[in-house]
Amino acid sequence: GENVEQHPSTLSVQEGDSAVIKCTYSDSASNYFPWYKQELGKRPQLIIDIRSNVGEKKDQRIAVTLNKTAKHFSLHITETQPEDSAVYFCAASISRAGGGNKLTFGTGTQLKVEL
Amino acid sequence: GAVVSQHPSWVICKSGTSVKIECRSLDFQATTMFWYRQFPKQSLMLMATSNEGSKATYEQGVEKDKFLINHASLTLSTLTVTSAHPEDSSFYICSARGWGRALNTEAFFGQGTRLTVV
Repeated sequence: GENVEQHPSTLSVQEGDSAVIKCTYSDSASNYFPWYKQELGKRPQLIIDIRSNVGEKKDQRIAVTLNKTAKHFSLHITETQPEDSAVYFCAASISRAGGGNKLTFGTGTQLKVEL
Repeated sequence: GAVVSQHPSWVICKSGTSVKIECRSLDFQATTMFWYRQFPKQSLMLMATSNEGSKATYEQGVEKDKFLINHASLTLSTLTVTSAHPEDSSFYICSARGWGRALNTEAFFGQGTRLTVV
């Protein structure tokens, strides 16, 4: 089955700096890669996702890059703010029309943005 | 985004009793629902996948007789933790995928249920 590795497990940055979280996946058939932000005791919130036919996607301060050949994808947060502090999870799945395929999650990154 | 409602948000039960957790999709038909368990400071671990009207598919190491999953309709799935023990204490969270929502790719999560077995 799919295996997703995520690094680093903790990341501390100064407000205004950039943060980068990296993930690798094992199944070359995976074609959908979402990123979730989870605050303590709450549900994961989708912040950005990318499909395998795209190499990069950006949404304001958040961007995701995908390298299918190397089977890795990264989350980039620019101009970090204290409210960005949370646990971030990457995930991978094989997504087909008509099929609800499972997400395999990375181990999570605790991001702390310090003033 | 779509709304998935999970209840209860927290429950405390005595060891040996059973607990039922409900997951409802409020504004779309959830063809597939997923149940996850999350221990403190850990990732979401998939327990089982259920498709409406069929038996759930359990992940390796998850006891299907202990974690009963029912997905009787396109808007409701339930997880029953039978004969709960303290080691079952965890954060249980469902997610749903369905027709008409992001081409069946995006998964929408419930609020989660904090189960404490005493």
